[in-house]
Amino acid sequence: EVQLVESGGGSVQPGGSLRLSCAASGFNFKKFWIHWVRQTPGKGLVWLSRIDGDGSTIRFVDSVMGRFSFSRDTAQNSVYVQMNSLREEDTAMYYCVRGGKYEWDAFDIWGQGTMVIVSS
Amino acid sequence: QSALTQPPSASGSPGQSVSISCTGTSNDVGGYNHVSWYQQNPGRAPKLMIYDVTKRPSGVPDRFSGSKSGNTASLTVTGLQPEDEADYYCSSFAGENYPWVFGVGTKLTVL
Repeated sequence: EVQLVESGGGSVQPGGSLRLSCAASGFNFKKFWIHWVRQTPGKGLVWLSRIDGDGSTIRFVDSVMGRFSFSRDTAQNSVYVQMNSLREEDTAMYYCVRGGKYEWDAFDIWGQGTMVIVSS
Repeated sequence: QSALTQPPSASGSPGQSVSISCTGTSNDVGGYNHVSWYQQNPGRAPKLMIYDVTKRPSGVPDRFSGSKSGNTASLTVTGLQPEDEADYYCSSFAGENYPWVFGVGTKLTVL
């Protein structure tokens, strides 16, 4: 079964850090772009980043520049996001999402999400 | 990059057709044929319904179709069924050095 499973979410105080992981299974991990998308409770979807098959190309939104870093371990079939200097507005469900061979391919497989709560 | 514009709500009776619009700019929707649509039920992850403007993934009913004219894309659901009630989001590729953009979402109600 093609699957993405996120982990690492939780509650943290403002200024704190968390590391989210996404484990992939059931497909040739190295051939697909992987994206992170977040959704604030009751609100819409926001794309955060994409990383190519071998982890050599990473793109992300300006709002997380300098705070979030994205990486990929092809040996572990996993992608990660290290989130530092967390703000209350980072509170959201974080989804790991499979793209395609090309960075313009749509998101066909979504993980179940991992919740991050930033609150004092 | 601003979010794509969608109506907050849409509705129709079972068996009817309904269309949801998604308006962007020439930098995203109008500039690329890489618009996709996602269905999200409460407490669930989104599900891909349409990609590359008009294409349907395997398993998605052919009641769902997509189109685009200029900077506006549309999702049409024909023969509405109760299980179609959900939130729908559009999304567009906006170039290699730019983020993907999502629409603000439309709540579809089947009356």
